[in-house]
Amino acid sequence: EDKVVQSPLSLVVHEGDTVTLNCSYEVTNFRSLLWYKQEKKAPTFLFMLTSSGIEKKSGRLSSILDKKELFSILNITATQTGDSAVYLCAGGSQGNLIFGKGTKLSVKP
Amino acid sequence: DSGVTQTPKHLITATGQRVTLRCSPRSGDLSVYWYQQSLDQGLQFLIQYYNGEERAKGNILERFSAQQFPDLHSELNLSSLELGDSALYFCASSVGPSGGAYEQYFGPGTRLTVT
Repeated sequence: EDKVVQSPLSLVVHEGDTVTLNCSYEVTNFRSLLWYKQEKKAPTFLFMLTSSGIEKKSGRLSSILDKKELFSILNITATQTGDSAVYLCAGGSQGNLIFGKGTKLSVKP
Repeated sequence: DSGVTQTPKHLITATGQRVTLRCSPRSGDLSVYWYQQSLDQGLQFLIQYYNGEERAKGNILERFSAQQFPDLHSELNLSSLELGDSALYFCASSVGPSGGAYEQYFGPGTRLTVT
């Protein structure tokens, strides 16, 4: 059965800290790995990764995929209170996205 | 704002009733996906339509059905509602037919409460 596992389930940091969120996956007919940010409303698209070892960056956020180890990480540097959210990882198969349960990040001032 | 719209925002109904949720995809997107999000199950894929045709099916209950119309908007019909159907229902859209190969953009969701 396809599954996506995220760790940690929750994380509390202080502003300015750097955090790393983990995502491991077992997805049949794997096509992509996607990261979303959810703040009490709709998930907002962050990254889509399809190739191993190529880092994608957007401001203070970056992500990389390891297709050999079936693993991805999302890094957030110099965290801000506005980064507080649930971060969702999803494995994309031929048909749909399989989501993990998310990592709840709380950034304290 | 992702460009995906959903109505209504909130819906409160009684057990045994039937409701219809509506979704309009982003301009140019041909695929529509429906997801259910509950506290214990997380985000679960229900069904996908591409250009009017059913493309992929997840763990959608037989009491639930969906369709995509010629103008590409989609409706999710939930019938014989049970308390356990209370959840957030999201619609997402993408440009292409394969759910895992294209970025999916989510609408604001419909919160369904069954009493």
